[in-house]
Amino acid sequence: NAGVTQTPKFRVLKTGQSMTLLCAQDMNHEYMYWYRQDPGMGLRLIHYSVGEGTTAKGEVPDGYNVSRLKKQNFLLGLESAAPSQTSVYFCASSRLGQSNYGYTFGSGTRLTVV
Amino acid sequence: ELKVEQNPLFLSMQEGKNYTIYCNYSTTSDRLYWYRQDPGKSLESLFVLLSNGAVKQEGRLMASLDTKARLSTLHITAAVHDLSATYFCAVDLNQAGTALIFGKGTTLSVSS
Repeated sequence: NAGVTQTPKFRVLKTGQSMTLLCAQDMNHEYMYWYRQDPGMGLRLIHYSVGEGTTAKGEVPDGYNVSRLKKQNFLLGLESAAPSQTSVYFCASSRLGQSNYGYTFGSGTRLTVV
Repeated sequence: ELKVEQNPLFLSMQEGKNYTIYCNYSTTSDRLYWYRQDPGKSLESLFVLLSNGAVKQEGRLMASLDTKARLSTLHITAAVHDLSATYFCAVDLNQAGTALIFGKGTTLSVSS
């Protein structure tokens, strides 16, 4: 049971380039989330999804887009990367109506934009 | 806008000492979560507090929730080096378990 898998684990981008981060979960969870973690800022919610085909904005959505075409996958896109998007990105998932279990997190993607 | 504030943000402790981390939040919620993160690692769920007055304990850590005061505490008893990590509290954005908003974290360093 792999849980939540993020790819890639590391990436260096040049300013203006685009990329997609992939999150896949094999637990049949309905909810999925993307967070970014920066030193001294904790984790900030970028976007989340409460089911296939639905997404919603979190605390810091600007500069990112997401898609949830399949229940098990949640994609995070950067259309034109900026140095301010240098961060560690975490994906997480959780069960519908099972908030007593908290989230399962992936291992993170370390992104550097130069 | 939901705000979640932790204090202290940094905590240096001696082994064997007790201390408490505080988590205040700005809106009504009856669910609060605590996570642990080791350097360079992902987040691990520690406690899920689901009602006013909830108390949970695991080893040297005990978490409690006071929804009226919008306050949760994480109490550390007789600290050991293995507890060195960053601890985050998180509160539901939508009060339905759909999205968690995290505090900035408390980095705990335990030395002998």
